[in-house]
Amino acid sequence: EPEVTQTPSHQVTQMGQEVILRCVPISNHLYFYWYRQILGQKVEFLVSFYNNEISEKSEIFDDQFSVERPDGSNFTLKIRSTKLEDSAMYFCASSAFGQNTGELFFGEGSRLTVL
Amino acid sequence: AQSVTQLDSQVPVFEEAPVELRCNYSSSVSVYLFWYVQYPNQGLQLLLKYLSGSTLVKGINGFEAEFNKSQTSFHLRKPSVHISDTAEYFCAVFNTGGFKTIFGAGTRLFVKA
Repeated sequence: EPEVTQTPSHQVTQMGQEVILRCVPISNHLYFYWYRQILGQKVEFLVSFYNNEISEKSEIFDDQFSVERPDGSNFTLKIRSTKLEDSAMYFCASSAFGQNTGELFFGEGSRLTVL
Repeated sequence: AQSVTQLDSQVPVFEEAPVELRCNYSSSVSVYLFWYVQYPNQGLQLLLKYLSGSTLVKGINGFEAEFNKSQTSFHLRKPSVHISDTAEYFCAVFNTGGFKTIFGAGTRLFVKA
């Protein structure tokens, strides 16, 4: 069964360092997303990406964040200068071969720890 | 903009008892609705979805949910829970034509022996 894969599963970084989280969405899906979950809290929308551009982003997704689809398979989230409050689980998701119903297929997540 | 409210942060229940996890949403347009389950240290897995048609939808692991448009609710139910159902459950809503699925704060279901 096709699945979304994410790397790394866990990354520890120093405050102020750049971090790139990588995702391989389900092949032929058209919509890509990043969500964040701070430990034990709600799943927060960060950004959606469609047709090679950001389609929507949340207030959390400020200038420190960027996304890219550098080739036909990878979808990356970059945090330019990490802060302590960026520590969270980051989930990549993809959806839809055609019309988007918002049904998301999630990866297992990348846990980011900022020291 | 859409929003989701899960009315219970934690629901303790004994094994084999029925359970209902409540979810209300708000939106100015028509919506698609979802329930996801998250087991400890894992990603989110789709339990069930309402897109159209019958308002009673059945999902995996014996769960079902009913879409009530007039009450803007999508409550999740299971007639008899197992210890293995202990997990976090998230209700989610997607505005048709939109670009994001929004999640509720989650309900932790704790099944006791």
